[in-house]
Amino acid sequence: EVQLLESGGGLAQPGGSLRLSCAASGFTFSNYAMTWVRQAPGKELEWVSGIRSDAGSTYYADCVKGRFTISRDNSKNTLYLQMSSLRAEDTAMYYCAKGYSSGLTGSPPDFDFWGQGTLVTVSS
Amino acid sequence: DIQMTQSPSTLSASIGDRVTITCRASQSISGWLAWYQQKPGEAPKLLIYKASSLERGVPSRFSGSGSGTEFTLTISSLQPDDSATYYCQQYKSYPVAFGQGTKVEIK
Repeated sequence: EVQLLESGGGLAQPGGSLRLSCAASGFTFSNYAMTWVRQAPGKELEWVSGIRSDAGSTYYADCVKGRFTISRDNSKNTLYLQMSSLRAEDTAMYYCAKGYSSGLTGSPPDFDFWGQGTLVTVSS
Repeated sequence: DIQMTQSPSTLSASIGDRVTITCRASQSISGWLAWYQQKPGEAPKLLIYKASSLERGVPSRFSGSGSGTEFTLTISSLQPDDSATYYCQQYKSYPVAFGQGTKVEIK
């Protein structure tokens, strides 16, 4: 059974940092692209960042480019999102999701499994 | 960047009704479109991929169609469990984009 378990969310001050983790199990993690999607309270889904199966390419939404860094450790079956220079508008539930493909072609995948999310609140 | 626009934002229908949600892309995405269902407090769930392929385990009352810039998600006979918000997503190119969502309510 595929499982994705996010952790690392919490309260951060504006300008602060947080590191999110997503522990994956039930599939061959190194074969699939992964992504982070967020959802502000009562709002729509917003794609944040994606990474190829081999970590050879990473992709970012303009609103987080230069502030967030996605990475993965295929030996630990874990996806990460390092968030810095946090803003109030980064407050959201952050979901990790498994891509339907490796992403090696350079095109994004659709997402067939999602974690339950970790809540990030940016406030002073 | 490709923008996705869904309509309507909200719809109310009765059990057994046929329901259609539309998603438009700002430029052609061929068939690289997915549909997700999200219930309150839950993560999104993949329903349809490649515009019209039904994800395994999803009831056959859900179907998708379209290509290029216009797509539809149809629920052939609305059931109580279908009360949720539905999102389309383009995956033709980065940045990935979701529609703003359509909330389906049961009358």
